Amino acid sequence: SQKIEQNSEALNIQEGKTATLTCNYTNYSPAYLQWYRQDPGRGPVFLLLIRENEKEKRKERLKVTFDTTLKQSLFHITASQPADSATYLCALDRGFQKLVFGTGTRLLVSP
Amino acid sequence: DTAVSQTPKYLVTQMGNDKSIKCEQNLGHDTMYWYKQDSKKFLKIMFSYNNKELIINETVPNRFSPKSPDKAHLNLHINSLELGDSAVYFCASSQATGTVTGNTIYFGEGSWLTVV
Repeated sequence: SQKIEQNSEALNIQEGKTATLTCNYTNYSPAYLQWYRQDPGRGPVFLLLIRENEKEKRKERLKVTFDTTLKQSLFHITASQPADSATYLCALDRGFQKLVFGTGTRLLVSP
Repeated sequence: DTAVSQTPKYLVTQMGNDKSIKCEQNLGHDTMYWYKQDSKKFLKIMFSYNNKELIINETVPNRFSPKSPDKAHLNLHINSLELGDSAVYFCASSQATGTVTGNTIYFGEGSWLTVV
């Protein structure tokens, strides 16, 4: 069956360091992959989209990689700040905009 | 201006009741969705509508019935509520749907439903 896995344990890092979050998937061949941020009590907010023919995408302090051979995406936040603390969700396309979300990884950035 | 707004934000109701959650988007998008996020934070699509037409209907009990009076609104009606229906329900919208579109999905703030 199709499966998306993200680190279920919270990732704790110090301010200024680079946070790296992992999204692994099985039994998918997604055309693209998206990353969202979700704060407690709020809806998910779109961050980045990367297509299957793109290896890397950047937006300000954010960087996403997409390895369709490894079936893995890495999400990096450089120079992390306490305000980056949130849950980060990856989502894969199953066609017709049917996004399937991972369970998310909680990131905690301490001052 | 709120892009995707849903009401109510919090809803506590007894088992067996019928309730509705309303959703409106002012982004001019063609496609709207309902997602459910359970206690384990797993976010799963329930329905999607494109220009008032049902596109996606995941394995959801018949007690859940979406209604789209126009492409800016997608309401969710739930009959005979059960304890297991307790969750956060997110309305969302995107520009269009298609086989491979990669459109951004804009979510509302969520409706916290608690069935007691």
